[in-house]
Amino acid sequence: AQSVTQLDSQVPVFEEAPVELRCNYSSSVSVYLFWYVQYPNQGLQLLLKYLSGSTLVKGINGFEAEFNKSQTSFHLRKPSVHISDTAEYFCAVSDKGIQGAQKLVFGQGTRLTINP
Amino acid sequence: GAVVSQHPSWVICKSGTSVKIECRSLDFQATTMFWYRQFPKQSLMLMATSNEGSKATYEQGVEKDKFLINHASLTLSTLTVTSAHPEDSSFYICSARDIRPGANVLTFGAGSRLTVL
Repeated sequence: AQSVTQLDSQVPVFEEAPVELRCNYSSSVSVYLFWYVQYPNQGLQLLLKYLSGSTLVKGINGFEAEFNKSQTSFHLRKPSVHISDTAEYFCAVSDKGIQGAQKLVFGQGTRLTINP
Repeated sequence: GAVVSQHPSWVICKSGTSVKIECRSLDFQATTMFWYRQFPKQSLMLMATSNEGSKATYEQGVEKDKFLINHASLTLSTLTVTSAHPEDSSFYICSARDIRPGANVLTFGAGSRLTVL
C-alpha cells in the first residue's frame, strides 16, 4: 500500500516570490507520482506527473517537481508565483499497474495562498 | 485532451431520497472509472473503482448498498446515493483512466456537490 504526506497544510507566499510545496511518499513498489491543483468548487487539474525518465519534471503554469527516490520525495516548486496560483494542491501516488496508472492515493493537500 | 463530465454539478435533496450522479468520458473510452469523496477542506478519499461490465470494487469502510455504482458503458459510470442523509453531504468527484497510447493518466471531472437537508 502507498501513502502520501504533504508536510504543510497551508503555505502563504507573497506574489512573485518562489514557493516549494513538500510531498513525501511511502511505497513498497515502484510508483508514479502526480501533482494536482484544485480551485474552489472544482475538480482536479493535473499539473505534472512523473512516470519514468528524468527526475525533474516540468508541468503547466510554470510549475516543476523533482523526484528523489532516496528521500522518497516529490516536491513541487515555482520560481515566481502569481495571485492566480492561489488554490489547493494535492500530491498523489499510484502503483505501476499492468496497464499503467491505477487508482490514486492522495496527500492531505496544501493550501497555497498568494498575497499581494 | 481527455475530458470527463460530471452531472449534476450540484444537487440539493431531502433526507431519505436517492440521488444519481453521472460521470461521462466525452472523447475517450474508459473501462475503469474511480469515485472519490471529498469533505470540506480535506483530501480526496477513494470510494470505489467502477469497472465496465462488472461489479464495482469498493474500498474498505464504504457501504456498497449505500453507494450504488453502475458502469453500463465504456463512457458512463453512475453513482447513486441511496436514502441520503445529511452526513452524506459532500463533494463527489469521478475520474476516468485514459489508456490511449501516450495518455496513461487519470482525468477528473469537475465534481458534484451534494447537500442533503
